[in-house]
Amino acid sequence: SQKIEQNSEALNIQEGKTATLTCNYTNYSPAYLQWYRQDPGRGPVFLLLIRENEKEKRKERLKVTFDTTLKQSLFHITASQPADSATYLCAPGQGSSNTGKLIFGQGTTLQVKP
Amino acid sequence: GAVVSQHPSWVICKSGTSVKIECRSLDFQATTMFWYRQFPKQSLMLMATSNEGSKATYEQGVEKDKFLINHASLTLSTLTVTSAHPEDSSFYICSASIPTGGENGYTFGSGTRLTVV
Repeated sequence: SQKIEQNSEALNIQEGKTATLTCNYTNYSPAYLQWYRQDPGRGPVFLLLIRENEKEKRKERLKVTFDTTLKQSLFHITASQPADSATYLCAPGQGSSNTGKLIFGQGTTLQVKP
Repeated sequence: GAVVSQHPSWVICKSGTSVKIECRSLDFQATTMFWYRQFPKQSLMLMATSNEGSKATYEQGVEKDKFLINHASLTLSTLTVTSAHPEDSSFYICSASIPTGGENGYTFGSGTRLTVV
């Protein structure tokens, strides 16, 4: 069955450092992968989408890579800030990126300390 | 930007009663909406895909007679938890795709915390 794995343990880093979160998937060939941020008691907020033919995508302090050979995506936050503290979810998808269903990983909680 | 409004944000109900959760797209038309359930410290589990004007598609293991989904218009989808029991207590979240393009991901409602006592 399809399996999506993210670091289950919380990631604690110092403000200003780069946070790197990992998303691995098995028994799955996603056409794209999305990353979301979720704060406690709130719905997820979309951050970035990367397609299978893209190696890397950037948006401000965020960078996402997608390695279809390793079946892995890495999510980086550079110059991290305490406000970046949240749970980050990866969601590989198939079909249309407009209407295809997403399967979410369990999320990695990031804590940025001042 | 595209906004999905979800109500209520929390609800407490007695065991055996039914609860309806609404999800509205405020400034766009949502042909497809998704319903998720999330237990504490766990990920979002897709329950069903809701398409306007047709029957919802349920994920394996989700009881369609217990979780009734209605998507009667392009701006409103509802999830009714029928004969709720304490094990149905969870965080329910809806989402919709933004019609401006696949690069913008999905927009989510703020979620509904259901507690069945």
